[in-house]
Amino acid sequence: NAGVMQNPRHLVRRRGQEARLRCSPMKGHSHVYWYRQLPEEGLKFMVYLQKENIIDESGMPKERFSAEFPKEGPSILRIQQVVRGDSAAYFCASSPPANSGSYVQYFGPGTRLTVT
Amino acid sequence: AQKVTQAQTEISVVEKEDVTLDCVYETRDTTYYLFWYKQPPSGELVFLIRRNSFDEQNEISGRYSWNFQKSTSSFNFTITASQVVDSAVYFCALSGGDSGGYQKVTFGTGTKLQVIP
Repeated sequence: NAGVMQNPRHLVRRRGQEARLRCSPMKGHSHVYWYRQLPEEGLKFMVYLQKENIIDESGMPKERFSAEFPKEGPSILRIQQVVRGDSAAYFCASSPPANSGSYVQYFGPGTRLTVT
Repeated sequence: AQKVTQAQTEISVVEKEDVTLDCVYETRDTTYYLFWYKQPPSGELVFLIRRNSFDEQNEISGRYSWNFQKSTSSFNFTITASQVVDSAVYFCALSGGDSGGYQKVTFGTGTKLQVIP
């Protein structure tokens, strides 16, 4: 029973390039969340998605960042024109449907983005 | 607004000592969930426990125990007879549910625990 999968695990981009981070939720999970962890800090919520819907993007920067969770395939967090301040660990989490009564979010191993 | 405070930034203990990690939270929701996660040096996040706001029973799982006190808005985590493998950053987290917003989890800044052999 595979857990939440994220790839790549490490990503290096030069300033101005685009970064694409992928997340496949656990089997049976229909909710996906993205969090960002800056060095020496806790995780900060970015966005919550269900299939083909963005439910809550209150933590997403207004520019350059976007997220999607298509009907087929993984969820994608896209960062355009990356800057050094985007260097962080990006974690994806998934949870089962709300009617399951379980509100636990299970996290992937994270993608460490380094912008040079 | 929700807030989770982990006042202890770093703790060092000698192996086999007991250690308690403090967590204080703030929320206006009457229904909410509290969590603890462990982040070992390898970087992944490992779920440890979930507690809902209606259940103030303390929980024990092996060497781990959790003390939830609604009166003081605290959800402390104790490791008994610590081991080197317990060395990690531990995060306390909260999600509120009055508005159906269980999904957004607020994390504390973490407590880095170092267990010295």
